[in-house]
Amino acid sequence: RKEVEQDPGPFNVPEGATVAFNCTYSNSASQSFFWYRQDCRKEPKLLMSVYSSGNEDGRFTAQLNRASQYISLLIRDSKLSDSATYLCVVNGENNRLAFGKGNQVVVIP
Amino acid sequence: EAQVTQNPRYLITVTGKKLTVTCSQNMNHEYMSWYRQDPGLGLRQIYYSMNVEVTDKGDVPEGYKVSRKEKRNFPLILESPSPNQTSLYFCASSVLAGGTDTQYFGPGTRLTVL
Repeated sequence: RKEVEQDPGPFNVPEGATVAFNCTYSNSASQSFFWYRQDCRKEPKLLMSVYSSGNEDGRFTAQLNRASQYISLLIRDSKLSDSATYLCVVNGENNRLAFGKGNQVVVIP
Repeated sequence: EAQVTQNPRYLITVTGKKLTVTCSQNMNHEYMSWYRQDPGLGLRQIYYSMNVEVTDKGDVPEGYKVSRKEKRNFPLILESPSPNQTSLYFCASSVLAGGTDTQYFGPGTRLTVL
């Protein structure tokens, strides 16, 4: 099983709609969880850390489910500018960060 | 401005011609690392460094070398580049030596080896 798995999509989302996707991880001892955003051919940038109790940042909500070993990201009221690839990042088996391949989101006018 | 810089940003070279990609951060971060990103494979770690003179292999270290003589710099060296090293390379740094906190990425270096 891969350390971090994501459905690459693309997730085609009408502007103003809500989109959500999950990321599963294999290391039950993982303690660090992040969502990064990557625009085409640019560097990844931190979108938000994911905390045990879940957290929200504006239109973005992240959740952690330790029992099922997944984290989720929900984007409400999608904007055209939300079109990007969202990378799930978890500290893996060797305690180094493992990156998922990303969920590609395309917001359609 | 706090940042990670990489040079060059784009490079086309030929097989076997040694090259160095520089990486520098001005945030006094302990941890630095190099990743390569290929279509369908995501980001894979090449080498990382937890401190000056401390480096270790990541997931795909073959064909690469690194050094960490100063805290701010972490160059990536390809002694004899091959076409399978054509990729998009990112340098990253983070505050904590363990490297499991927020990563700050450089803008990337697009390398083509002919």
